[in-house]
Amino acid sequence: EVQLVESGGGLVKPGGSLRLSCAASGFTFTSFTMNWVRQAPGKGLEWVSSISSASTNTYYADSLKGRFTVSRDNAKKSLYLQMNSLRAEDTAVYYCARGIAAVAGIPRHFDYWGQGTLVTVSS
Amino acid sequence: QSALTQPASVSGSPGQSITISCTGTSSDVGDYNYVSWYQQHTGKAPKVVIYAVSNRPSGVSNRFSGSKSGNTASLTISGLQAEDEADYYCSSYRSIPISVVFGGGTKLTVL
Repeated sequence: EVQLVESGGGLVKPGGSLRLSCAASGFTFTSFTMNWVRQAPGKGLEWVSSISSASTNTYYADSLKGRFTVSRDNAKKSLYLQMNSLRAEDTAVYYCARGIAAVAGIPRHFDYWGQGTLVTVSS
Repeated sequence: QSALTQPASVSGSPGQSITISCTGTSSDVGDYNYVSWYQQHTGKAPKVVIYAVSNRPSGVSNRFSGSKSGNTASLTISGLQAEDEADYYCSSYRSIPISVVFGGGTKLTVL
């Protein structure tokens, strides 16, 4: 059974940093592009970042302006998102999602999602 | 990165059919068959119901179908059931810039 379990969310002050993790199980982690998608309270889904199976290609939403860094550890079957210079508008549930049939590391769709971890940026 | 355009809400009675549209550009929906649709019940993670414009994952009811014409993709749900009440999001690969883009979401109400 495919499982994606996010952790690392919490309350952080504006300008602070946070590192999210996603532990994967039930599939061959090294075969898939992995992704972060977020959802602000009461709002829609927003793609955040994708990383190809061997970390060769990484992509980010323009709105992040270099503040976030995605990485993965295939030996640990884990995905990470380092978030720096956090702003109130980064407050959201962050989902880890498995990508399918990636085109140069960008998935054509997401077939499994974790339950998400809530990040709240507030003073 | 502007989102794909979806209606904010649609509604229908049990047994009826509804269609949700998703309008993009020639850099995403119009030029690639990589449109997917996600169902999200309140407080839950999204679930893919259609991928590659018109393909249904295993386990998804055949009441769900997808299509595309030009820059607009559509999700049709036939034989509406109470359990279909949820938010629906379209998504597409985008080439300029290389990214994934979502629609703003459509709230489906089953009357």
